[in-house]
Amino acid sequence: AQSVAQPEDQVNVAEGNPLTVKCTYSVSGNPYLFWYVQYPNRGLQFLLKYITGDNLVKGSYGFEAEFNKSQTSFHLKKPSALVSDSALYFCAVRASGGSYIPTFGRGTSLIVHP
Amino acid sequence: NAGVTQTPKFQVLKTGQSMTLQCAQDMNHEYMSWYRQDPGMGLRLIHYSVGAGITDQGEVPNGYNVSRSTTEDFPLRLLSAAPSQTSVYFCASRNVGGRNTGELFFGEGSRLTVL
Repeated sequence: AQSVAQPEDQVNVAEGNPLTVKCTYSVSGNPYLFWYVQYPNRGLQFLLKYITGDNLVKGSYGFEAEFNKSQTSFHLKKPSALVSDSALYFCAVRASGGSYIPTFGRGTSLIVHP
Repeated sequence: NAGVTQTPKFQVLKTGQSMTLQCAQDMNHEYMSWYRQDPGMGLRLIHYSVGAGITDQGEVPNGYNVSRSTTEDFPLRLLSAAPSQTSVYFCASRNVGGRNTGELFFGEGSRLTVL
């Protein structure tokens, strides 16, 4: 079985400060890891993914995430938050062994204050 | 390239009525799926399909039917709507070719209210 935990329902950060949205996972074998963002009344949009290789993955809108195998984590980061980054963020995991179905975390609401 | 298109965007039903949520994608994706999103529950998988003629159940399939007669379309049918099916529904698709590493592409959602 595979699972994802996003331990924070909400993250608050001031504009210009660095932000981190946490994600830990459990999966049999090697993981494929994804981050998605959902703006109000919109569908989810893909931000970035880790498949293999470099543990630091760069994605859209200046976001990056670091894969840590020993801690089974894939935290989303951005050096300087913007008010427009305020949204709901979902982490997802899928096993690399041919699995079709990803498991999503419950989401973390990021609020960036001016 | 429209991506994943869902219709309708909004729908209000009475208990016991039936309806179909439409989903179409123009990216030739083999994998298509339906999720429902409820506050505090994240995304829950209802049904999925890995190709035309192939469907399977997800985490919360009861009360929903699907079919996949073409690669492009994956409609979700509510047979007899119940208030518990009030939710926002998302269709998502992805390519499964190559190393099967593709990300999901989501539609904009269909907001359903059952009275």
